[in-house]
Amino acid sequence: GQNIDQPTEMTATEGAIVQINCTYQTSGFNGLFWYQQHAGEAPTFLSYNVLDGLEEKGRFSSFLSRSKGYSYLLLKELQMKDSASYLCAVRDRVDTGGFKTIFGAGTRLFVKA
Amino acid sequence: GAVVSQHPSRVICKSGTSVKIECRSLDFQATTMFWYRQFPKQSLMLMATSNEGSKATYEQGVEKDKFLINHASLTLSTLTVTSAHPEDSSFYICSARTLFLAGGSAEQYFGPGTRLTVT
Repeated sequence: GQNIDQPTEMTATEGAIVQINCTYQTSGFNGLFWYQQHAGEAPTFLSYNVLDGLEEKGRFSSFLSRSKGYSYLLLKELQMKDSASYLCAVRDRVDTGGFKTIFGAGTRLFVKA
Repeated sequence: GAVVSQHPSRVICKSGTSVKIECRSLDFQATTMFWYRQFPKQSLMLMATSNEGSKATYEQGVEKDKFLINHASLTLSTLTVTSAHPEDSSFYICSARTLFLAGGSAEQYFGPGTRLTVT
């Protein structure tokens, strides 16, 4: 089956670095996504990893290890506006030959001064 | 960044009626658009992937006859919730993906969402 685990909540201090982990189980992995979502708003796409390694984009980086079923989102130089939910999503190939994208429950990040 | 709009932002309809939601990419062409649903305090659920000029690909468990998707142009996709019921009340969000760049990456931009309430 498919399963995605990420911590429910995290708290970090403004200016610090925080790492949000995501572990997953799939039968036909086809990519992993990270999204940011502020309460009551639509999400924002952050990153897409399909190959192992680190993808860096400004203050945000995403890492993937397909053999370990593991990804993390790294946020540097935290700002108060980074307080949001961070969603990990995995695209899995299903038996019918199509795909299914499963979202984790999200990690609520609180950035404190 | 690129802009994706949705219309309407909120809609209230009676049970049994149909509702159409539009998703437009305003300043870029999107060969692929995605439709999501999100219930209160729950995570996103991808409903379908819409490719311009072809039939949408629905995720497992999503009824294609109930959620009709049309992607008639490179800037417009529509989702029609047919014969809506109260359990269809949800936050519907679209996103549009830009063309893949030379390095193999593409950006995905979300619309602001449409809050549907079925009474």
